[in-house]
This record gives sequence, structure tokens and C-alpha cells, in this order.
Amino acid sequence: ETGVTQTPRHLVMGMTNKKSLKCEQHLGHNAMYWYKQSAKKPLELMFVYNFKEQTENNSVPSRFSPECPNSSHLFLHLHTLQPEDSALYLCASSPRQNYGYTFGSGTRLTVV
Amino acid sequence: KQEVTQIPAALSVPEGENLVLNCSFTDSAIYNLQWFRQDPGKGLTSLLLIQSSQREQTSGRLNASLDKSSGRSTLYIAASQPGDSATYLCAVPAAYSGNTPLVFGKGTRLSVIA
Repeated sequence: ETGVTQTPRHLVMGMTNKKSLKCEQHLGHNAMYWYKQSAKKPLELMFVYNFKEQTENNSVPSRFSPECPNSSHLFLHLHTLQPEDSALYLCASSPRQNYGYTFGSGTRLTVV
Repeated sequence: KQEVTQIPAALSVPEGENLVLNCSFTDSAIYNLQWFRQDPGKGLTSLLLIQSSQREQTSGRLNASLDKSSGRSTLYIAASQPGDSATYLCAVPAAYSGNTPLVFGKGTRLSVIA
């Protein structure tokens, strides 16, 4: 474990379902991130939270809804997804810019 | 806008060989540069973090160098082993300010053949 825990590890959902991805860190970091990794593409930043406040939304469709209730937890709520949303969703955290980022193991999402 | 390029996209070498992976970035005003390893279907594991004031960092058989002025970094792997097979990703912060998200290259997929 890296210190950033993501659950579930795997998720299969229908296009009409609602599900949530969870990310948790107890490293004392103040920034948390959601990234999406699709096949043969670079990692794409989705959302950034600094001290629980969203500071960046990288033009993500509204069917993805993030939530950061405190500095240790980050959620990604999913509803009415499309098959092309199937990907590996990675959560990361960082203390501040000089100290590097820590990633979770990811959630492999399949939309059927 | 910062962009990161990694060459080659894929590399296959026999066990025991020394190898170099390349990373270039368009905006040289970076705060740091980080190398990651990713095994298939898994998350990212941080390998080395080089601060902008540093020229290189070493960890075991890995050595990463940074040349900010030319916008380049290299990851040197000595005496490669089959367990080194993975995708190696290079990343830099998107902007020179606090808590900025990382911009990634597409990675180099390494296969070390026993």
C-alpha cells in the first residue's frame, strides 16, 4: 500500500446505474486529485482539490461528480455513464509541490 | 501549456543490459520532475523525484538526470532484470505554483527478456 487507498479495485456498472469511487489518504497531504487513464492515452487530469476546495475541473462531463468532505477523503460519484468512460481511475495526493505525489492503485471501471 | 514527450514508446532488451529512457518537456520552468513505474492494470509507483535545483537522483539501480535548460530528463536503469518490465512514466507539474497537477507523458513500455 502506498498510503493512498482506493475502493473498489474493480467495478462493473450499467449505463443507468449510480455508483461511487472512494479515495482515502492519511499522509497529511492537503491536495487530492482524480486522474483517468484510458488505453493508449496519457493520464488525464479530471479534478483537483486543495484543502477540500475544488480548484480545477478539467472540462469533465457532469456525469462525473466529485466530493471532498475532508482533506483525507475524496469521492467520485458516477451516474448515467457511457461505455467510453471505461478506464482506470486513479486518485493521488500531494503535500505541497516540492514533495511529490502519491498515487493509489486505481479502480478499474467497466461500463456495460 | 506544458507538454511531456517520452521516447521510445516501447523498448525490449535482454536481461542484464543497461538502458536509458528519455523524457522531454516544453516549459523549462519546472519545480520538479518525477519518474513513475506502472505495472499492467495497476496504479503508479513513484521511483524518483528530482527537484529543479538538482541534476540527478539515484535509487539502487536507477539514476535519473535533469537538464532544465534543454527540457530533458533521462532515466538510466543498470543491469536490467525481468522484474523491471513495466511502463515508465515521466511527469512534471503543470505550472510553477503550489499544488499544481502533474502533466504526464504517454510512457515507455519496457520489456526485459530473460
